[in-house]
Amino acid sequence: GNSVTQMEGPVTLSEEAFLTINCTYTATGYPSLFWYVQYPGEGLQLLLKATKADDKGSNKGFEATYRKETTSFHLEKGSVQVSDSAVYFCAHSGYSTLTFGKGTMLLVSP
Amino acid sequence: DAGVIQSPRHEVTEMGQEVTLRCKPISGHDYLFWYRQTMMRGLELLIYFNNNVPIDDSGMPEDRFSAKMPNASFSTLKIQPSEPRDSAVYFCASKDRGLGNTEAFFGQGTRLTVV
Repeated sequence: GNSVTQMEGPVTLSEEAFLTINCTYTATGYPSLFWYVQYPGEGLQLLLKATKADDKGSNKGFEATYRKETTSFHLEKGSVQVSDSAVYFCAHSGYSTLTFGKGTMLLVSP
Repeated sequence: DAGVIQSPRHEVTEMGQEVTLRCKPISGHDYLFWYRQTMMRGLELLIYFNNNVPIDDSGMPEDRFSAKMPNASFSTLKIQPSEPRDSAVYFCASKDRGLGNTEAFFGQGTRLTVV
């Protein structure tokens, strides 16, 4: 079946540190892949997406590359800020449904 | 477009009462999803609709939960009777079929507390 596995948190970093949040998936066909971000008290917002193998999604300094051979879509940022503190969800989409990982909390301290 | 609109934002009710959560999807979107989020279980898909028709309700926890979509611009999630373990944040999301696998847009959520 379809599933998304992402690293458990919380991930605790100091400002300007490098961030990696791992995400792997199982799916039939050729899904699109997404990273969503949820700030405290808010709904999920799309952060970036990639729709085919080797695509790189990027936004606000975050990047993730669709790796079909390793079924992965790891999220990276070169220098995190305190304002990046949030919960990050990896997800994949088939024709109609959207399957989410359990979320990874990121805490960035000044 | 104003995005996905949910109401109320917060609901506090007593155990045994009926609770109705409301959602207005983005105009033109074909799919509507209801999710529940808790600390223990994370984000769970409860049910989704395509063109107002329920497609998969296997995530609905029990018969106390029901969802309807009477038209393309409105959906409800009802809990009757409510129990303290139903306390959670409930999200509605909508999605366009599009030409490929498109992303879903989420509402701000309804924080439900059953006391």
